Amino acid sequence: QSVLTQPPSASGTPGQRVTISCSGSNSNIGNNYVHWYRQLPGTAPNLLMYKNNERPSGVPDRFSGSKSGTSASLAVSGLRSEDEAEYFCATWDDTLSGWVFGGGTKLTVL
Amino acid sequence: QVQLVQSGAEVKKPGSSVKVSCKASGGTFSNFAINWVRQAPGQGLEWMGGFVPIFGAANYAQKFQGRVSITADISTSTAYMDLSSLKSEDTAVYYCVHRAPDTVVVPKRGWFDPWGQGTLITVSS
Repeated sequence: QSVLTQPPSASGTPGQRVTISCSGSNSNIGNNYVHWYRQLPGTAPNLLMYKNNERPSGVPDRFSGSKSGTSASLAVSGLRSEDEAEYFCATWDDTLSGWVFGGGTKLTVL
Repeated sequence: QVQLVQSGAEVKKPGSSVKVSCKASGGTFSNFAINWVRQAPGQGLEWMGGFVPIFGAANYAQKFQGRVSITADISTSTAYMDLSSLKSEDTAVYYCVHRAPDTVVVPKRGWFDPWGQGTLITVSS
């Protein structure tokens, strides 16, 4: 059971906009930055978004992040087949004094 | 930029221990905060703990307290994760990750980038 809650799956057709949610509490999302990681099948995760809405170099602006209260979301616009992957949200939890992750959302491009 | 290369896959017996290495390059290793995250087959990500060589101190997830030890050898720029009393539930891919940026001392202010390639540890009798 993950501390952060994500929908297990999301889908969309090419060109559509898809949003993935990540829900937590005051001790984690409510008081800390949220980061997002993308994992392609059989590979290690890599950083997709940091500090709620900052994109590392090389990540296209089709990806955007936001945070409000104890929830965060990742939006992918202009969906492309190569966006098919699993997406994880993560943040620090002040009560646990450690990092916590969402269970992951598998994004399918139909 | 920072790169992390991990040791190879291992098969271990229940009750034994495993030590996974993570060699870093591309920066000042003593300033790195190396963390370990694992992923059981078909499951999500789970943080195990982290270590900052320059402080010589590690912090661990409560779940792994007493069973995991994270250390580092500055002379070889290598971090290690030692997990003891292995159970079948410990079968997972173990990742070392660099907590960026190096200028941030407080753990909660950073993020994980990059990740090592992962090391599959299989626990089976």
